Amino acid sequence: GDSVTQMEGPVTLSEEACLTINCTYTATGYPSLFWYVQYPGEGLQLLLKATKADDKGSNKGFEATYRKETTSFHLEKGSVQVSDSAVYFCALSGTSYGKLTFGQGTILTVHP
Amino acid sequence: DVKVTQSSRYLVKRTGEKVFLECVQDMDHENMFWYRQDPGLGLRLIYFSYDVKMKEKGDIPEGYSVSREKKERFSLILESASTNQTSMYLCASSTPPGQGGDGYTFGSGTRLTVV
Repeated sequence: GDSVTQMEGPVTLSEEACLTINCTYTATGYPSLFWYVQYPGEGLQLLLKATKADDKGSNKGFEATYRKETTSFHLEKGSVQVSDSAVYFCALSGTSYGKLTFGQGTILTVHP
Repeated sequence: DVKVTQSSRYLVKRTGEKVFLECVQDMDHENMFWYRQDPGLGLRLIYFSYDVKMKEKGDIPEGYSVSREKKERFSLILESASTNQTSMYLCASSTPPGQGGDGYTFGSGTRLTVV
């Protein structure tokens, strides 16, 4: 079945550092790929998405490129802020009713 | 602002109680989902529904049931609560694939503690 694997966390960075959170997936067909973010005490929000190979999703300075050859969708940001502290989830959408399969989540903490 | 509303943010229930978690969406979405979120395990799908009165088991349906009598409301039922059901429960809704939309819209979650 479908699966998503994220890098182990937690990740702790200083403000303005570069961020990469690795995500790889296993799926049949051509899934859509997503990054969701969960701020403390809140539900998940869509951060960015890509629906086909080589697409790049971007939002709020974050980027991720759909790499079918490596089955990856790594999240990157060039300069993180304290306000980026949150839990980040990689997910894929298979063809069945649009169900999402999530990775285990990566906790990011950014210090001033 | 469109939203998914979960009726309770925090619940404390006793072992053996029947527990109802309610979720309402105002986006006229066909699909609705219930997940539980546990540290290190991410989100795991309990049940989902793609139409009124329709339901499908997810990956971890044991000990749960659901009800969808109206399009906007999707209820999760713990038939006899147990301590291993202590978790954060997240409801979400979406349009079907190929009909637009941006994946899921999530509620804020219900943190359930079973004592």
